[in-house]
Amino acid sequence: GQSLEQPSEVTAVEGAIVQINCTYQTSGFYGLSWYQQHDGGAPTFLSYNALDGLEETGRFSSFLSRSDSYGYLLLQELQMKDSASYFCAVDTGRRALTFGSGTRLQVQP
Amino acid sequence: NAGVTQTPKFQVLKTGQSMTLQCAQDMNHEYMSWYRQDPGMGLRLIHYSVGAGITDQGEVPNGYNVSRSTTEDFPLRLLSAAPSQTSVYFCASRSLEGGSGELFFGEGSRLTVL
Repeated sequence: GQSLEQPSEVTAVEGAIVQINCTYQTSGFYGLSWYQQHDGGAPTFLSYNALDGLEETGRFSSFLSRSDSYGYLLLQELQMKDSASYFCAVDTGRRALTFGSGTRLQVQP
Repeated sequence: NAGVTQTPKFQVLKTGQSMTLQCAQDMNHEYMSWYRQDPGMGLRLIHYSVGAGITDQGEVPNGYNVSRSTTEDFPLRLLSAAPSQTSVYFCASRSLEGGSGELFFGEGSRLTVL
């Protein structure tokens, strides 16, 4: 089966940098995605890595190491609005995404 | 820009009742899926479809049926509701033609089974 592990909660202060890690064990692997979800809202797409390395999109970056079955989401210049849950998700090639349990990020002033 | 539309947004059922959650997308996506989200458990895949007439089971399919008669619609049927099916349900779709495979989610349907 598939399993993804990420920390359940992370706290950081405004303006800081935070890294959310994700390790996975899957029977197939096509890529790692990250989604953001605010309380009461729907998940929204942040980034996708199919190959090793860093992808940057504004204040957010995502990294993948396929050999280590590991990725992370890096959030820079944290803002209060970044307080949300962040999910990593693996595309195992069945065309269906498997999600981790999520990391709740609290940004403090 | 409707995107993915789910109805109803809220529903309360009694144990044993049946109901259908509706999902429609206007992006011509081949892939559609249903997830349920429970506190602390992330999103778990119930059923998915890669095109009209094609459906497959996800991680937690028991107690749910789906069909895909058109590209646009992917309803989720609860056959005999149980309290364990109290959850938030999300429909999501995406294009299967390369790229990031970004999933587009509906706003969610909050179901309570008494």
